[in-house]
Amino acid sequence: QQPVQSPQAVILREGEDAVINCSSSKALYSVHWYRQKHGEAPVFLMILLKGGEQKGHDKISASFNEKKQQSSLYLTASQLSYSGTYFCGTPNVPYSGGGADGLTFGKGTHLIIQP
Amino acid sequence: ETGVTQTPRHLVMGMTNKKSLKCEQHLGHNAMYWYKQSAKKPLELMFVYNFKEQTENNSVPSRFSPECPNSSHLFLHLHTLQPEDSALYLCASSQDVSRASYTFGSGTRLTVV
Repeated sequence: QQPVQSPQAVILREGEDAVINCSSSKALYSVHWYRQKHGEAPVFLMILLKGGEQKGHDKISASFNEKKQQSSLYLTASQLSYSGTYFCGTPNVPYSGGGADGLTFGKGTHLIIQP
Repeated sequence: ETGVTQTPRHLVMGMTNKKSLKCEQHLGHNAMYWYKQSAKKPLELMFVYNFKEQTENNSVPSRFSPECPNSSHLFLHLHTLQPEDSALYLCASSQDVSRASYTFGSGTRLTVV
């Protein structure tokens, strides 16, 4: 099943914060986050693993609540370079130790940062 | 070269043509994937290969035929495609564990006329 992302699109001014949500109808072991700029390949941001941990990368962080089967991506003090489409992905193998079996991605959240 | 390389970058083909897309990775990964990305749909998983063996075929029409001769190379053979098959085809690779990150190629922009 495809994870559901919200919102579909966000327009921010530089320096503002944003939250992107990703929810799944199936039990999750991990959630992946990627960003794709127009005309480019998706680029890996981070993986959140079971345990509710929060990870960070520069001013982009994320949380994972496996009980609620949700993950959220937080963009703090957004920069122009943050513009792009953000995808969350959930493994088709839902348990730890499983082999790679592909990621199912959400429809994406379009983020536009204006000066 | 490092990363995932896809060729060609752009391809225009007629519905009766036969063409192939190529993907190559030099990251030491042992899992490779084909994804289709179109305007109307998100990243759609097409095929998964682990250690050269196909482990997933996500209900893809037989006019798409994958081939994985070794862990570094992946092909997508195309024949008698339809205009709705026009899309960006992305290749990705990862280690063979579910928590591994994916590295994507820049994709092949396919137009079927």
